[in-house]
Amino acid sequence: NAGVTQTPKFQVLKTGQSMTLQCAQDMNHEYMSWYRQDPGMGLRLIHYSVGAGITDQGEVPNGYNVSRSTTEDFPLRLLSAAPSQTSVYFCASRLAGPGELFFGEGSRLTVL
Amino acid sequence: AQKVTQAQTEISVVEKEDVTLDCVYETRDTTYYLFWYKQPPSGELVFLIRRNSFDEQNEISGRYSWNFQKSTSSFNFTITASQVVDSAVYFCALKRPGGYQKVTFGIGTKLQVIP
Repeated sequence: NAGVTQTPKFQVLKTGQSMTLQCAQDMNHEYMSWYRQDPGMGLRLIHYSVGAGITDQGEVPNGYNVSRSTTEDFPLRLLSAAPSQTSVYFCASRLAGPGELFFGEGSRLTVL
Repeated sequence: AQKVTQAQTEISVVEKEDVTLDCVYETRDTTYYLFWYKQPPSGELVFLIRRNSFDEQNEISGRYSWNFQKSTSSFNFTITASQVVDSAVYFCALKRPGGYQKVTFGIGTKLQVIP
């Protein structure tokens, strides 16, 4: 059971470069989301999706884009990376309802 | 607006001591869900427990126990006889009712268990 798979695990970018963090889940979860984790800030929601073709902003969406063309995939795009986007990113999914989130292993991004 | 406060940013205990991690939440909803997650040094996030607001029974799972008190809006987590493997960051989280509602996390408490 793969669960939630994130790639890459580590990435170093220069300011202004673009990249995409990939996230895939094989549990047929409707809900998928991206969080960033920063020291002293906990986990903050960037974007989320409640199904294919439906996305919405979380609390820190600026500088990030998402799309959801299939139930399984929810990529996070950084169009022009900034040092403030240096963070650890987590993709998470769950079924609709009160259930828990299932997290990927995280992606550590450094923007120089 | 929802808020989760974990006032203890870092705690150190000696192995075999008991330790309680505090979680205080704010919500206007009468129905809601509370969670605890563990993040060990390896970095992954592991689900520990979910509690529904209408179920105030305390829960025990091995050395772990959770005390949910609606009167004080708290959902505290106690580890009995702590072990080095308990060293991790622990997150408390709150979710509103409704299928697709977002989850709000506290900033986490880093627990260090010293051998």
